[in-house]
Amino acid sequence: NAGVTQTPKFRILKIGQSMTLQCAQDMNHNYMYWYRQDPGMGLKLIYYSVGAGITDKGEVPNGYNVSRSTTEDFPLRLELAAPSQTSVYFCASRRTGTDEQFFGPGTRLTVL
Amino acid sequence: EDQVTQSPEALRLQEGESSSLNCSYTVSGLRGLFWYRQDPGKGPEFLFTLYSAGEEKEKERLKATLTKKESFLHITAPKPEDSATYLCAVQAAGGYNKLIFGAGTRLAVHP
Repeated sequence: NAGVTQTPKFRILKIGQSMTLQCAQDMNHNYMYWYRQDPGMGLKLIYYSVGAGITDKGEVPNGYNVSRSTTEDFPLRLELAAPSQTSVYFCASRRTGTDEQFFGPGTRLTVL
Repeated sequence: EDQVTQSPEALRLQEGESSSLNCSYTVSGLRGLFWYRQDPGKGPEFLFTLYSAGEEKEKERLKATLTKKESFLHITAPKPEDSATYLCAVQAAGGYNKLIFGAGTRLAVHP
């Protein structure tokens, strides 16, 4: 199993640009999550999904959108990028009936 | 408001020098407390889940304990490869999908 994979690893955006962060898992997990991690701060939940076609907001959803058309994929869309979205983004997944979340390697995004 | 505070922010140990990391929490009904390890440039890696006060779990040189207000991660005779950031997170009852993370403790173990 590759586990949770994320692409790209690094990206630099200009203010106002848009992009999609990709996340995929091959463990057949129903639950998937997007977090952001800022220096000196804990991870913050952006969006989560309990299964294909079902998504919900986390703590910090403004400026982001998600979709979940398959069990495997959970892309995160940034529209009109702002400097405040400079962060490291982590995707995670979890099997139903368990509590452990498996994290991907992260995407480091800089908005200039 | 649910909150997690970790201390110290950073800790430097000599190899073999045992110590403890603290995670204090306030949450409206604790469903679970999680410890993760994070290496530079990588995603968090799961270590332990604790569910009730008095529970303890061990893995190699690490031992996690839980009270009603805090958790400790005890590191016995650490080695340089234990150097990492250790993250604590709580899951509130009813917040089944939401983990509240602390800012972490950066541990450096020197030979």
